Amino acid sequence: TQLLEQSPQFLSIQEGENLTVYCNSSSVFSSLQWYRQEPGEGPVLLVTVVTGGEVKKLKRLTFQFGDARKDSSLHITAAQPGDTGLYLCAANLNRKLIWGLGTSLAVNP
Amino acid sequence: DAGVTQSPTHLIKTRGQQVTLRCSPKSGHDTVSWYQQALGQGPQFIFQYYEEEERQRGNFPDRFSGHQFPNYSSELNVNALLLGDSALYLCASSFSGGVTEAFFGQGTRLTVV
Repeated sequence: TQLLEQSPQFLSIQEGENLTVYCNSSSVFSSLQWYRQEPGEGPVLLVTVVTGGEVKKLKRLTFQFGDARKDSSLHITAAQPGDTGLYLCAANLNRKLIWGLGTSLAVNP
Repeated sequence: DAGVTQSPTHLIKTRGQQVTLRCSPKSGHDTVSWYQQALGQGPQFIFQYYEEEERQRGNFPDRFSGHQFPNYSSELNVNALLLGDSALYLCASSFSGGVTEAFFGQGTRLTVV
């Protein structure tokens, strides 16, 4: 059973489009992180959300933590080819990071 | 400030052999976690070391073992390698005193033939 469900699993869009990626669970987490990973590299931390309802912005990326701290979303505005990669969410449960399977995003020029 | 460093970056081993992977955590971090990542999948937690002891373990067989040294660096050992052990092995460091944000190394690509 996957504790963190990410959707969609794959996404292929054109440059300039907007997109939203979801990370859902039935468990409550003390914090949740979003990472971006490029092929053959380790994941790079994008953001940590801690408070229910929290919204954080990182340039064209907007991250939201659900009010009940069970889910999160990542919205990208005007996607660029450089946004291509695997987006992973991870949540803090008993001092261990639980991972989603990731959303593989391809932004075509 | 050096980030997380892993060595080697690539490794090819024969089935049945043993392998040791190494990780130096980010400065100021005291906890090291190891993950196995198959192609197209999210990282799977192997185990975590804190204060030189294994604190948590994922669903991996005893062939996977580790060690943490007084300087917080860590090793991952895999015995009796199987073809299915081929993967990207990631080391993540974190600080035990705060929110568990993990910072990753670039990984070691292990290929078992």
